[in-house]
Amino acid sequence: AQKITQTQPGMFVQEKEAVTLDCTYDTSDPSYGLFWYKQPSSGEMIFLIYQGSYDQQNATEGRYSLNFQKARKSANLVISASQLGDSAMYFCAMREGRGSGGYQKVTFGTGTKLQVIP
Amino acid sequence: DVKVTQSSRYLVKRTGEKVFLECVQDMDHENMFWYRQDPGLGLRLIYFSYDVKMKEKGDIPEGYSVSREKKERFSLILESASTNQTSMYLCASTEGNSYEQYFGPGTRLTVT
Repeated sequence: AQKITQTQPGMFVQEKEAVTLDCTYDTSDPSYGLFWYKQPSSGEMIFLIYQGSYDQQNATEGRYSLNFQKARKSANLVISASQLGDSAMYFCAMREGRGSGGYQKVTFGTGTKLQVIP
Repeated sequence: DVKVTQSSRYLVKRTGEKVFLECVQDMDHENMFWYRQDPGLGLRLIYFSYDVKMKEKGDIPEGYSVSREKKERFSLILESASTNQTSMYLCASTEGNSYEQYFGPGTRLTVT
């Protein structure tokens, strides 16, 4: 089974509108974390936002918020007031488990390509 | 600012060649990672290292090996490159059990 599922390969949004990028996850580990990265066409991965499984409040970072619904195992990214510079690939990722050295392994989804239309 | 650098942005190699991809980070991070990124598949973890000379297999280690002789440097080795290893390779690092991974700019490898 896929650990991280992003069902939207591509999305369009009008400039200044809000957009929601979907992410569902699957884990049996009670301690896990979810994040979102942005990858513009230049290729670099930019960290956007993080939500821990025990965090009570939804994470927010500027125009980005993470709509965390634990019972539904979803961690959708909401971008408010879209800008042209938001056009990029967006990856949802999850960390879980404990490998050697105590580090939690991170699994990425397949990504959603967002295009912002002027 | 954390800086993760990769030795090449673009690389073209022939089938059967031994290929070295180098990654260097300047923030004394304990953990370093190698991913490959393919369209429709996202990022998949090849190997990671949580200390010098320590390594752990990721999801797709077959055909790859790694080396970490110094804390700041993590090398990915393709012992005998094959065409199905044509991909974008991303290196990342992180401190301790911090959740934020810092990525390098990527190396686009083409094996002909």
